[in-house]
Amino acid sequence: GAVVSQHPSWVICKSGTSVKIECRSLDFQATTMFWYRQFPKQSLMLMATSNEGSKATYEQGVEKDKFLINHASLTLSTLTVTSAHPEDSSFYICSAPGYSYSAGELFFGEGSRLTVL
Amino acid sequence: SQQGEEDPQALSIQEGENATMNCSYKTSINNLQWYRQNSGRGLVHLILIRSNEREKHSGRLRVTLDTSKKSSSLLITASRAADTASYFCATDPGNYGQNFVFGPGTRLSVLP
Repeated sequence: GAVVSQHPSWVICKSGTSVKIECRSLDFQATTMFWYRQFPKQSLMLMATSNEGSKATYEQGVEKDKFLINHASLTLSTLTVTSAHPEDSSFYICSAPGYSYSAGELFFGEGSRLTVL
Repeated sequence: SQQGEEDPQALSIQEGENATMNCSYKTSINNLQWYRQNSGRGLVHLILIRSNEREKHSGRLRVTLDTSKKSSSLLITASRAADTASYFCATDPGNYGQNFVFGPGTRLSVLP
């Protein structure tokens, strides 16, 4: 199946710094990628839809200036958490529709655990 | 908003037993999918069932879909300790991955 790689898998940073998380589709092109946030023992909440070559679409309540998304190529989307604060600590996961979207499934990265001190 | 609702939220069984998880949803769908998540990891696609299908099998997995009741069930037969994970249903309206809605998940513990 298709592979989505996410990096870093975990990161610890000081409050006020910015953190960049990368999501790559390794063996297929992804014009669209999705970014989710997951709190412990909870489900995934869609934050934004990343579109190659255009602006991301953010879900209601998600600050676009706080969570910057750049989808510069067909295989890479990045999420930058700017001026991170402890409340931004969470598990961030990206996904992309498979190359054969008629199959309907999403392929997920392994997630990035962010801890803001 | 979260559409899929799983129950139970947590399930603990002995190895060898069957595990059944249910999912309910509210709006029309193109397909419904089940995913598995090991602790601290990404999600892995298990099985997809289309809105015109009623039952689907994949190895030890059996999924049913009742569109009239807007519900689905996932049955794992002959469970193993390695099946311990969280299981999520996700409804897909068929919009190329957009508007996927994940349920809250069922945390399955299979005791050896």
